[in-house]
Amino acid sequence: EIVLTQSPGTLSSSPGERATLSCRASQSVRSNYLAWYQQKPGQAPRLLIYGASSRATGIPDNFSGSGSGTDFTLTISRLGPEDFAMYYCQQYGSSPTFGGGTKVEIK
Amino acid sequence: EVQLVESGGGLVQPGGSLRLSCAASGFTFRSYWMTWVRQAPERGLEWVANMNQDGSGNYYVDSVRGRFTISRDNAKNSLYLQMNSLRAEDTAVYYCARSLYYSGSGSFLFDYWGQGSLVTVSS
Repeated sequence: EIVLTQSPGTLSSSPGERATLSCRASQSVRSNYLAWYQQKPGQAPRLLIYGASSRATGIPDNFSGSGSGTDFTLTISRLGPEDFAMYYCQQYGSSPTFGGGTKVEIK
Repeated sequence: EVQLVESGGGLVQPGGSLRLSCAASGFTFRSYWMTWVRQAPERGLEWVANMNQDGSGNYYVDSVRGRFTISRDNAKNSLYLQMNSLRAEDTAVYYCARSLYYSGSGSFLFDYWGQGSLVTVSS
C-alpha cells in the first residue's frame, strides 16, 4: 500500500497569498496518477487536480498541480475567501489511498 | 448536473446491520464504476468497496470483506452498501463516488462525490 504524507498539517495564510501544499508518497506513483481534492465542512470532496497537473472540469486556473514520482505539490496562486478548506491528495497508481490532509486556514 | 445523494445512515449497535443507498442523477449511471468511500476522524479517507458498470465485478478493502456487500440497480440509478457485523471502527461518514477506472494501474479516480451519510456504531 502506498502511504501518502501531506504537509504541513495546517497552513495559516491570508487572502491573496500564495499557498503551497505538499504530498509525499512512500513509493513512486505509477504514471503520476495523483489527484487533489478540496473539502469544506459538511460538504463532499471536490476533485481539483488529476494526473498530478491536470485541472478538473470547472476548476479555476489559480489551482495548479505539479510533481512526479514521490513528490507532488498543489499550489493556490492567490487565496480567495472560498479557498480556505481541507485539501487531500489521493494516488490511483495502485489500490487507491489518500493523504491525511492539509487544512488551509485564515491567518 | 451530476448528483449523488446518500441515505440510510444512523446509530447501530456493534454486531448490527445497516443498508446505505445512493441515488444518482445527471449522468448515465450504468456507464460508470461506483465506489463507497468512508471518512473517519482518526483514520481519514478510505475506499471501502466498488462495483463495475453492470454489477458483475467488485472489490473490497480487506477490513470489510465478508461483512459488507456492494450492489447496484441500474434501472433505478442506485448504488447500495449492505453492512453486517458492524464494529466500532466502521463509524464514519460514508460517501458514494462516481469512479473512473484506469486500466494501466487497475485503480480509481473519484470525480464526483455525494454529501455523505453518517454511520455510528456504538452501544
